[in-house]
Amino acid sequence: AQSVTQLGSHVSVSEGALVLLRCNYSSSVPPYLFWYVQYPNQGLQLLLKYTSAATLVKGINGFEAEFKKSETSFHLTKPSAHMSDAAEYFCAVSGNSGSARQLTFGSGTQLTVLP
Amino acid sequence: GAGVSQSPSNKVTEKGKDVELRCDPISGHTALYWYRQRLGQGLEFLIYFQGNSAPDKSGLPSDRFSAERTGESVSTLTIQRTQQEDSAVYLCASSAGQGLGGTGELFFGEGSRLTVL
Repeated sequence: AQSVTQLGSHVSVSEGALVLLRCNYSSSVPPYLFWYVQYPNQGLQLLLKYTSAATLVKGINGFEAEFKKSETSFHLTKPSAHMSDAAEYFCAVSGNSGSARQLTFGSGTQLTVLP
Repeated sequence: GAGVSQSPSNKVTEKGKDVELRCDPISGHTALYWYRQRLGQGLEFLIYFQGNSAPDKSGLPSDRFSAERTGESVSTLTIQRTQQEDSAVYLCASSAGQGLGGTGELFFGEGSRLTVL
């Protein structure tokens, strides 16, 4: 069994401020972890993924996430927010060697960037 | 095309009517997935096609839901006798393989927004 919890359905930050989107997971097997981003009127796009290699994963657009097994977390961060980062972000977990069939998504966090 | 294409982008229907949603995956992608995204919720797996294997229908919520795919091409998701709780965005995704650890990244379409009045 596996699940994903995203803390905060809405997060607002000022332009230039740190972005922190929280994701906690549960999985009965070593997980594969993902962050997807959905810009308005677009499909989901892979931001980054953790597949049991380096625990700090760098993705597109300056985002990164750190896998912390002891905390069962995979929080997404970006040092300085841009207006273009405004979007909905989804954390997802997959056990079973990364099978997409087993992918479980969180409920999403809407990021607003204030000028 | 260059990406996953879904149609219609928006569909408003009356309760009890049947609807058909279409997904055109990226050419050459063997795997195709349908998800449902209700307002304020995460993506809910519906059905999975992999090549010519029997589809995994375990996520379909009721027998009113069905989906077909011919070979490795277009898929259609059909909802019969629609209910108000079927209102959601229906997302299609395709990938080149089953595993996400290697090259099996999912590519999503923009979704079909269904509103049942």
